[in-house]
Amino acid sequence: IAGITQAPTSQILAAGRRMTLRCTQDMRHNAMYWYRQDLGLGLRLIHYSNTAGTTGKGEVPDGYSVSRANTDDFPLTLASAVPSQTSVYFCASSRISLAGGQPDTQYFGPGTRLTVL
Amino acid sequence: GQNIDQPTEMTATEGAIVQINCTYQTSGFNGLFWYQQHAGEAPTFLSYNVLDGLEEKGRFSSFLSRSKGYSYLLLKELQMKDSASYLCAAPGGYQKVTFGTGTKLQVIP
Repeated sequence: IAGITQAPTSQILAAGRRMTLRCTQDMRHNAMYWYRQDLGLGLRLIHYSNTAGTTGKGEVPDGYSVSRANTDDFPLTLASAVPSQTSVYFCASSRISLAGGQPDTQYFGPGTRLTVL
Repeated sequence: GQNIDQPTEMTATEGAIVQINCTYQTSGFNGLFWYQQHAGEAPTFLSYNVLDGLEEKGRFSSFLSRSKGYSYLLLKELQMKDSASYLCAAPGGYQKVTFGTGTKLQVIP
């Protein structure tokens, strides 16, 4: 693994089904993020984690949950998918800046294209 | 939340220079990022300005004025492969950034 990977690449899902999007990084970054990208709306933060064992809500968290059991993995779960969750999902990671709270460069995975019917 | 404003689309000619502007609300955190995103691909990091002024990196330069909440990305000697969306991202809280909706740049022959 080099960098950050996501799986699956794409998925078509029936409404009401549960789905987990996987994200793994090998850069030993403390912080990880999940974004969704929709036409005209740009990248919007769903959930984030500043370190293993902690998570936080972003701008659009409803309908999504995350966990951070270790440094490398940050799965995103849709408990009961709805059509409005059709989007491209990007996972990203970054170091924790030594200047407390100052954001650092984020590196993105290749994305998961999800369609909910 | 953070309000970021950048033009939706721009068109420029191969070999020319183009400037993409970005304005944002200043916050307690410094720094302004620029990312490039080709259609169907992930965003990739271009530049990070923490201090005021111009930083040059090959054909790409980025400028920041923290007091004015203003940044621009300057692309010189445009090539067809520079056709992409350019995303401005400003600090949006502890360890987080907020992305603009992006500027779609089309380079024409």
